[in-house]
Amino acid sequence: QVVLTQSPSASASLGTSVKITCSLSSGHSSDAIAWHQQRPEKGPRYLMKVNSDGSHNRGDGIPDRFSGSSSGAERHLVISTLQSEDEADYFCQTWGTGIGVFGGGTKLTVL
Amino acid sequence: QVQLQESGPGLLKPSQTLSLTCTVSGGSIRSGGHYWSWVRQLPGKGLEWIGYIFYGGDKYYNPSLKSRLTISVDTSESQFSLSLSAVTAADTAIYYCARLNIYFLIDQWGQGAPVTVSS
Repeated sequence: QVVLTQSPSASASLGTSVKITCSLSSGHSSDAIAWHQQRPEKGPRYLMKVNSDGSHNRGDGIPDRFSGSSSGAERHLVISTLQSEDEADYFCQTWGTGIGVFGGGTKLTVL
Repeated sequence: QVQLQESGPGLLKPSQTLSLTCTVSGGSIRSGGHYWSWVRQLPGKGLEWIGYIFYGGDKYYNPSLKSRLTISVDTSESQFSLSLSAVTAADTAIYYCARLNIYFLIDQWGQGAPVTVSS
Protein backbone atom coordinates (compact mmCIF):
# COMPACT_ATOMS: atom_id res chain seq x y z
CA GLN A 1 0.00 0.00 0.00
CA VAL A 2 1.29 3.45 -0.90
CA VAL A 3 2.29 5.75 1.97
CA LEU A 4 2.50 9.53 1.73
CA THR A 5 4.96 11.30 4.03
CA GLN A 6 4.94 15.00 4.87
CA SER A 7 6.89 17.13 7.33
CA PRO A 8 4.51 18.18 10.11
CA SER A 9 5.33 21.87 9.95
CA ALA A 10 6.77 24.63 7.80
CA SER A 11 7.11 28.37 8.13
CA ALA A 12 7.96 31.31 5.91
CA SER A 13 7.63 35.07 5.99
CA LEU A 14 4.90 37.16 4.47
CA GLY A 15 5.61 37.93 0.81
CA THR A 16 8.18 35.14 0.37
CA SER A 17 7.83 31.64 -1.10
CA VAL A 18 7.61 28.23 0.51
CA LYS A 19 7.88 24.67 -0.81
CA ILE A 20 5.92 21.88 0.87
CA THR A 21 6.82 18.29 0.03
CA CYS A 22 4.88 15.03 -0.14
CA SER A 23 6.99 11.88 -0.52
CA LEU A 24 5.59 8.74 -2.13
CA SER A 25 6.70 5.38 -0.76
CA SER A 26 8.89 2.97 -2.69
CA GLY A 27 7.40 1.68 -5.92
CA HIS A 28 5.02 4.60 -6.37
CA SER A 29 7.30 7.26 -7.85
CA SER A 30 5.09 7.53 -10.96
CA ASP A 31 1.85 8.23 -9.07
CA ALA A 32 0.04 11.53 -9.30
CA ILE A 33 -1.17 13.25 -6.18
CA ALA A 34 -3.62 15.99 -5.26
CA TRP A 35 -2.85 18.87 -2.90
CA HIS A 36 -5.49 20.23 -0.57
CA GLN A 37 -5.62 23.21 1.78
CA GLN A 38 -7.45 23.27 5.10
CA ARG A 39 -7.66 26.60 6.87
CA PRO A 40 -8.37 26.64 10.61
CA GLU A 41 -11.91 25.53 11.42
CA LYS A 42 -12.71 25.10 7.72
CA GLY A 43 -13.21 22.16 5.41
CA PRO A 44 -10.54 21.09 2.90
CA ARG A 45 -10.21 22.81 -0.47
CA TYR A 46 -8.74 21.15 -3.54
CA LEU A 47 -5.72 23.02 -4.88
CA MET A 48 -4.22 20.98 -7.70
CA LYS A 49 -3.15 17.69 -9.20
CA VAL A 50 0.60 17.14 -9.58
CA ASN A 51 1.91 14.53 -12.01
CA SER A 52 5.21 12.67 -11.92
CA ASP A 53 6.60 14.85 -14.72
CA GLY A 54 5.94 17.97 -12.66
CA SER A 55 2.96 19.15 -14.68
CA HIS A 56 0.08 20.36 -12.58
CA ASN A 57 -3.56 21.36 -12.97
CA ARG A 58 -4.99 23.88 -10.54
CA GLY A 59 -8.56 23.68 -9.37
CA ASP A 60 -11.15 26.31 -10.24
CA GLY A 61 -10.37 29.67 -8.69
CA ILE A 62 -6.97 28.69 -7.32
CA PRO A 63 -4.56 31.61 -7.84
CA ASP A 64 -1.39 31.06 -9.85
CA ARG A 65 0.63 31.82 -6.71
CA PHE A 66 0.09 28.13 -6.08
CA SER A 67 2.09 25.79 -8.30
CA GLY A 68 3.32 22.22 -8.28
CA SER A 69 6.46 20.36 -9.23
CA SER A 70 8.00 16.88 -8.95
CA SER A 71 11.37 15.33 -8.32
CA GLY A 72 11.51 11.55 -8.32
CA ALA A 73 9.10 10.32 -5.68
CA GLU A 74 8.59 13.80 -4.27
CA ARG A 75 5.66 16.02 -5.14
CA HIS A 76 5.96 19.66 -4.23
CA LEU A 77 3.51 22.46 -3.57
CA VAL A 78 5.06 25.89 -4.03
CA ILE A 79 3.30 28.95 -2.71
CA SER A 80 4.76 32.28 -3.80
CA THR A 81 4.12 35.78 -2.45
CA LEU A 82 2.80 34.33 0.80
CA GLN A 83 -0.25 35.97 2.30
CA SER A 84 -1.62 35.67 5.82
CA GLU A 85 -4.60 33.72 4.49
CA ASP A 86 -2.22 30.98 3.32
CA GLU A 87 -1.66 29.93 6.91
CA ALA A 88 -3.28 26.51 6.90
CA ASP A 89 -2.74 22.76 6.87
CA TYR A 90 -1.72 21.34 3.51
CA PHE A 91 -2.10 17.66 2.77
CA CYS A 92 -1.59 15.40 -0.19
CA GLN A 93 -3.79 12.55 -1.40
CA THR A 94 -3.43 9.67 -3.81
CA TRP A 95 -5.07 6.32 -4.51
CA GLY A 96 -3.90 3.05 -3.01
CA THR A 97 -5.26 -0.45 -3.41
CA GLY A 98 -8.95 0.40 -3.60
CA ILE A 99 -8.69 3.11 -1.01
CA GLY A 100 -7.77 6.76 -0.80
CA VAL A 101 -4.53 7.57 0.99
CA PHE A 102 -3.71 10.84 2.72
CA GLY A 103 -0.48 12.38 3.90
CA GLY A 104 -0.31 13.47 7.52
CA GLY A 105 -0.43 17.14 6.60
CA THR A 106 1.96 20.07 6.90
CA LYS A 107 0.98 23.01 9.07
CA LEU A 108 2.19 26.21 7.41
CA THR A 109 2.84 29.22 9.58
CA VAL A 110 3.17 32.59 7.86
CA LEU A 111 5.53 34.79 9.88
CA GLN B 1 -19.00 24.72 -10.59
CA VAL B 2 -20.22 21.63 -8.80
CA GLN B 3 -21.02 22.00 -5.11
CA LEU B 4 -21.54 19.32 -2.47
CA GLN B 5 -23.50 19.77 0.75
CA GLU B 6 -23.80 17.28 3.59
CA SER B 7 -26.89 16.98 5.77
CA GLY B 8 -27.87 14.81 8.71
CA PRO B 9 -28.07 14.66 12.50
CA GLY B 10 -25.06 15.88 14.44
CA LEU B 11 -25.59 13.94 17.65
CA LEU B 12 -26.13 10.22 18.14
CA LYS B 13 -26.07 7.77 21.00
CA PRO B 14 -23.86 4.67 20.97
CA SER B 15 -25.30 1.75 18.97
CA GLN B 16 -27.43 4.03 16.78
CA THR B 17 -27.08 4.30 13.00
CA LEU B 18 -25.48 7.37 11.46
CA SER B 19 -27.19 8.54 8.27
CA LEU B 20 -25.79 11.37 6.16
CA THR B 21 -26.79 12.65 2.73
CA CYS B 22 -24.74 14.63 0.26
CA THR B 23 -26.57 16.78 -2.28
CA VAL B 24 -24.76 17.53 -5.53
CA SER B 25 -25.58 20.78 -7.30
CA GLY B 26 -24.13 22.71 -10.23
CA GLY B 27 -23.22 19.51 -12.03
CA SER B 28 -24.52 16.04 -12.78
CA ILE B 29 -24.18 13.14 -10.37
CA ARG B 30 -24.42 10.98 -13.50
CA SER B 31 -21.00 12.17 -14.68
CA GLY B 32 -19.16 9.22 -16.15
CA GLY B 33 -15.84 10.66 -15.08
CA HIS B 34 -16.50 10.97 -11.38
CA TYR B 35 -17.04 8.92 -8.27
CA TRP B 36 -18.79 10.09 -5.12
CA SER B 37 -17.08 9.47 -1.84
CA TRP B 38 -17.13 9.91 1.92
CA VAL B 39 -14.14 10.86 4.06
CA ARG B 40 -13.98 11.59 7.77
CA GLN B 41 -11.65 13.59 9.95
CA LEU B 42 -11.27 12.25 13.46
CA PRO B 43 -10.66 14.81 16.25
CA GLY B 44 -7.08 16.01 16.25
CA LYS B 45 -6.14 13.37 13.70
CA GLY B 46 -5.80 12.96 10.00
CA LEU B 47 -8.27 11.99 7.33
CA GLU B 48 -9.76 8.52 6.90
CA TRP B 49 -11.24 7.21 3.67
CA ILE B 50 -14.71 5.73 4.11
CA GLY B 51 -15.76 4.64 0.63
CA TYR B 52 -17.09 5.67 -2.76
CA ILE B 53 -19.91 4.96 -5.17
CA PHE B 54 -20.41 5.43 -8.90
CA TYR B 55 -23.78 6.72 -10.16
CA GLY B 56 -24.41 3.33 -11.71
CA GLY B 57 -24.15 1.72 -8.30
CA ASP B 58 -20.63 0.27 -8.23
CA LYS B 59 -19.12 0.91 -4.83
CA TYR B 60 -16.06 0.25 -2.71
CA TYR B 61 -15.76 0.45 1.07
CA ASN B 62 -12.86 0.85 3.48
CA PRO B 63 -12.35 -2.74 4.75
CA SER B 64 -12.12 -1.46 8.33
CA LEU B 65 -15.68 -0.10 8.13
CA LYS B 66 -17.22 -2.49 5.63
CA SER B 67 -19.22 -4.56 8.10
CA ARG B 68 -21.12 -1.48 9.34
CA LEU B 69 -21.24 0.63 6.19
CA THR B 70 -23.67 1.20 3.34
CA ILE B 71 -23.25 3.87 0.65
CA SER B 72 -26.09 4.44 -1.80
CA VAL B 73 -26.96 6.85 -4.60
CA ASP B 74 -30.24 8.45 -5.69
CA THR B 75 -29.68 9.98 -9.10
CA SER B 76 -33.22 11.38 -9.27
CA GLU B 77 -32.48 13.55 -6.25
CA SER B 78 -28.81 14.10 -7.18
CA GLN B 79 -27.81 12.72 -3.80
CA PHE B 80 -25.66 10.01 -2.35
CA SER B 81 -25.82 8.76 1.21
CA LEU B 82 -23.85 7.09 3.96
CA SER B 83 -25.22 4.76 6.61
CA LEU B 84 -22.93 3.59 9.44
CA SER B 85 -24.46 1.24 11.97
CA ALA B 86 -23.62 0.53 15.61
CA VAL B 87 -21.72 3.77 16.11
CA THR B 88 -19.41 4.30 19.07
CA ALA B 89 -17.51 7.29 20.41
CA ALA B 90 -14.70 6.31 18.02
CA ASP B 91 -16.95 7.36 15.13
CA THR B 92 -17.07 10.96 16.37
CA ALA B 93 -15.65 13.00 13.49
CA ILE B 94 -16.35 15.55 10.81
CA TYR B 95 -17.78 13.72 7.82
CA TYR B 96 -17.08 15.09 4.35
CA CYS B 97 -18.55 14.13 1.05
CA ALA B 98 -16.20 14.58 -1.87
CA ARG B 99 -15.93 14.04 -5.60
CA LEU B 100 -13.27 11.80 -7.08
CA ASN B 101 -12.03 12.34 -10.63
CA ILE B 102 -10.98 9.62 -13.07
CA TYR B 103 -7.55 9.49 -11.43
CA PHE B 104 -9.23 8.77 -8.08
CA LEU B 105 -8.08 12.10 -6.76
CA ILE B 106 -10.46 14.34 -4.82
CA ASP B 107 -11.24 17.50 -6.79
CA GLN B 108 -14.20 18.88 -4.81
CA TRP B 109 -15.19 18.77 -1.14
CA GLY B 110 -18.36 19.40 0.81
CA GLN B 111 -18.29 21.74 3.79
CA GLY B 112 -18.35 18.91 6.29
CA ALA B 113 -20.88 17.60 8.82
CA PRO B 114 -19.73 17.31 12.45
CA VAL B 115 -21.00 14.16 14.14
CA THR B 116 -20.73 13.42 17.85
CA VAL B 117 -21.48 10.04 19.40
CA SER B 118 -22.18 10.35 23.10
CA SER B 119 -24.45 8.79 25.66
